[in-house]
Amino acid sequence: DIVMTQSPDSLAVSLGERATINCKSSQSVLYSSNNKNYLAWYQQKPGQPPKLLIYWASTRESGVPDRFRGSGSGTDFTLTISSLQAEDVAVYYCHQYYSTPYTFGQGTKLEIK
Amino acid sequence: QVLLQESGPGLVKPSETLSLTCSVSGASITDHYWSWIRRPPGKGLEYIGYMSYGGSTNYNPSLKSRVSMSLDTSKNQFSLNVASVTTTDTAVYYCAKWRGDVLSDWGQGILVTVSS
Repeated sequence: DIVMTQSPDSLAVSLGERATINCKSSQSVLYSSNNKNYLAWYQQKPGQPPKLLIYWASTRESGVPDRFRGSGSGTDFTLTISSLQAEDVAVYYCHQYYSTPYTFGQGTKLEIK
Repeated sequence: QVLLQESGPGLVKPSETLSLTCSVSGASITDHYWSWIRRPPGKGLEYIGYMSYGGSTNYNPSLKSRVSMSLDTSKNQFSLNVASVTTTDTAVYYCAKWRGDVLSDWGQGILVTVSS
């Protein structure tokens, strides 16, 4: 199984400041034949299901604000929120869909400082 | 807009079978792949498996011997069975739809508690 490890486990950032969440996979999730990273990011607010933010490591889902940016390749990935808003308080998960069993990171809890 | 809604008992006794159904609107279950994912209390997300109308299935090896999934095209629903449950199967269970290679739409989730 590909193990996804996120850092940090929790993060407190001031409103308007940048938040950065890292995700590392135990093996590469880059598929060489199409040069795509099989990596997605989800946002989960309390009482709600996960919401797709980013897929292919850096493609923003329709309707997701452009302050959310995904980057990275191979085994190291980052989700950056450029200017934190109050509504961004949530748990964020990275997810690899490169190989089964598909796996998720343990989650990063983002709070307001 | 695609909507998914999980339903089933919220309480299951140890050693019994957990059975859940996901009702889908806004998409045909014959046109996509479908998954179940769960989140145990205080833990992260765990992939259970996927299936398609064409018969393609994949189950997480950690659950494989106890899990089965099925589709009901007449009701546009798909289902999950987990046999011989223990307290470690207590979780919020989500059904979800694949859009190509990506899990794009999720149900609200249903809490299933395993307890005598």
